[in-house]
Amino acid sequence: AQTVTQSQPEMSVQEAETVTLSCTYDTSESDYYLFWYKQPPSRQMILVIRQEAYKQQNATENRFSVNFQKAAKSFSLKISDSQLGDAAMYFCAYTRTSGAGSYQLTFGKGTKLSVIP
Amino acid sequence: NAGVTQTPKFRILKIGQSMTLQCTQDMNHNYMYWYRQDPGMGLKLIYYSVGAGITDKGEVPNGYNVSRSTTEDFPLRLELAAPSQTSVYFCASVNGQGNSPLHFGNGTRLTVT
Repeated sequence: AQTVTQSQPEMSVQEAETVTLSCTYDTSESDYYLFWYKQPPSRQMILVIRQEAYKQQNATENRFSVNFQKAAKSFSLKISDSQLGDAAMYFCAYTRTSGAGSYQLTFGKGTKLSVIP
Repeated sequence: NAGVTQTPKFRILKIGQSMTLQCTQDMNHNYMYWYRQDPGMGLKLIYYSVGAGITDKGEVPNGYNVSRSTTEDFPLRLELAAPSQTSVYFCASVNGQGNSPLHFGNGTRLTVT
């Protein structure tokens, strides 16, 4: 079974600084997708960024970027120029893309990010 | 375009009561899911469906039932509520193509006392 591990239950960052959230996963698949979701206090699940395993280039979305290390099974999220609105729970998630269980997300336990003014 | 709609937003049940959490999506997605989120934990899959008439168990299905009579609707049934089912429940859907992300509903906070 696939597992997703987020080793940092809580992180904090000064406003305008950069923070990196860690995620590792375990899979025997070669083709899969990885996601970072943001959950603010409103409880809404918001997609931050996604990465296809077959793409070597790291995904970026404005201030958000990932460091995808396929061999190491590592998928960290970097938030640059942190803003107060970035404060939330962040979940790393994995899904295989074919066969049984495809498109079913497996989530990590989350990292609570606080942004200090 | 409403996306994924869940009702109710909040509910308090007594032990042994039953209820149905409603979920509907208007994106014509084949894949639908029910997750639960316990405090300090990530989301865990309860049940999923890959199309109308097809459902299957996820990681934590005990105490729940689902049906999928239409593409749009995927209700989750709790027959005999237990305190262990106190959680936040999320419904989600995806079209199953490429790297499309899951579309989530806004969740239902359920308390069983």
